[in-house]
Amino acid sequence: QKEVEQNSGPLSVPEGAIASLNCTYSDRGSQSFFWYRQYSGKSPELIMSIYSNGDKEDGRFTAQLNKASQYVSLLIRDSQPSDSATYLCAARGDNAGNMLTFGGGTRLMVKP
Amino acid sequence: NAGVMQNPRHLVRRRGQEARLRCSPMKGHSHVYWYRQLPEEGLKFMVYLQKENIIDESGMPKERFSAEFPKEGPSILRIQQVVRGDSAAYFCASGYGGETQYFGPGTRLLVL
Repeated sequence: QKEVEQNSGPLSVPEGAIASLNCTYSDRGSQSFFWYRQYSGKSPELIMSIYSNGDKEDGRFTAQLNKASQYVSLLIRDSQPSDSATYLCAARGDNAGNMLTFGGGTRLMVKP
Repeated sequence: NAGVMQNPRHLVRRRGQEARLRCSPMKGHSHVYWYRQLPEEGLKFMVYLQKENIIDESGMPKERFSAEFPKEGPSILRIQQVVRGDSAAYFCASGYGGETQYFGPGTRLLVL
């Protein structure tokens, strides 16, 4: 059973702080990893993808991948109240299915 | 430059009725994925289709659920004889078959 695990939260951070969201996965065959943001009642919105070990930065967001530890993280710098949402971590394996396995999501609350 | 389109956005059915959910992928995308999100739960993969082919239906319940993606027209997720446990948000995502999947706005199904 391929699993992606996230702490459900809520993770509460003050405005302007760094929010750190973590994710672990069980399938060592997973090759690609994605972070989606989902506002309540809305659909998932892709924030970042990461395929190689190390860091990948895009604006205020940094994704980190450590395949040896089977660990993915997302850092949000200068957190804003508008960042308050559920963040979904997803992994894609190396099979032909292309399907994404999602974690349960971490709810982030950024307090003004 | 339309994104993934889904309709209806909200669907109410009584137990025993049929539900038909439609998904039109982004222009140029030939791969469609259906996911279900139960209340307060994460996204679960259901089925992956290409035009006229079901590639992976490992996440589909064995009974009452079916999906198609005809040569012309949208992809259809069909749920026969709905039960209250089918109440959920159903999301369609599309892609080129590569790494990234883009999600539609979802159909919220409520079974009374």
